[in-house]
Amino acid sequence: DAGVIQSPRHEVTEMGQEVTLRCKPISGHDYLFWYRQTMMRGLELLIYFNNNVPIDDSGMPEDRFSAKMPNASFSTLKIQPSEPRDSAVYFCASSLEDSGSGRTGELFFGEGSRLTVL
Amino acid sequence: AQKVTQAQTEISVVEKEDVTLDCVYETRDTTYYLFWYKQPPSGELVFLIRRNSFDEQNEISGRYSWNFQKSTSSFNFTITASQVVDSAVYFCALSRRGSQGNLIFGKGTKLSVKP
Repeated sequence: DAGVIQSPRHEVTEMGQEVTLRCKPISGHDYLFWYRQTMMRGLELLIYFNNNVPIDDSGMPEDRFSAKMPNASFSTLKIQPSEPRDSAVYFCASSLEDSGSGRTGELFFGEGSRLTVL
Repeated sequence: AQKVTQAQTEISVVEKEDVTLDCVYETRDTTYYLFWYKQPPSGELVFLIRRNSFDEQNEISGRYSWNFQKSTSSFNFTITASQVVDSAVYFCALSRRGSQGNLIFGKGTKLSVKP
C-alpha cells in the first residue's frame, strides 16, 4: 500500500519566493496533518484537517503560511513570501480515526519536504 | 501546560547492549495518550506504540519494551540486545483525549548503535 506521499523532497529557494509543498494522504484516511521540524523547536503541529475541513490552525506561525485541502487525496502548504527562518523539514501525516479501536495519534508520516530558504 | 522531556540528547551503545530511552511528561489532563515514534535516517517518522493514561501495564514487543509509571510521569522505552538497525532518533509524544493527532513531541533522543 502506498504511504503518505510528499513533494518536493527538497526545495531550495530565495527569500521572498513563494513555496508550495504538496501531500497525498493514505487513501481512506480522514485526518491530515502538517508538522514542521526544526532543530530549535523540534516537531510542532501547524494545522490539521478532518474530512478536508481545517480543524485547528493555531500552530500556523503567521499569515505568510496557508494550507488547503481541496479533496480527500490532496493537500498543499504554501508559504508566501518565504523567509530564511522558514527553513525546516515539513511533514505531512494522515490517520484514520477508528472510535472502536481508538487509534488517536497513530499517525502515518510522509518522508518530509526539506525546505531551505536562502 | 503540556510538556514532554527527553533528557538524553544522544546515546551511543555497542551492538547487543540493552538501552533505555527516558521520557518524562507533564499534563493536567486525567485522560491522555503517550506515544513513541522512531525516525530513521531516511527521515519519516514511524509509529511504535500508543498508551492511554488508564493502562499502566508494561508492554513488550520483541526486543522493545515500554514502562509506563503515572506516579513518576514517565514512559520509558527499552531496547534489548540492540542492533545497528535500531540507530535512529526516537521521539516520545503526548496528546490529549480527543485531540486526534495533535501531538506534543519531546526533542528526541538520537541512538547510535555501533557494530
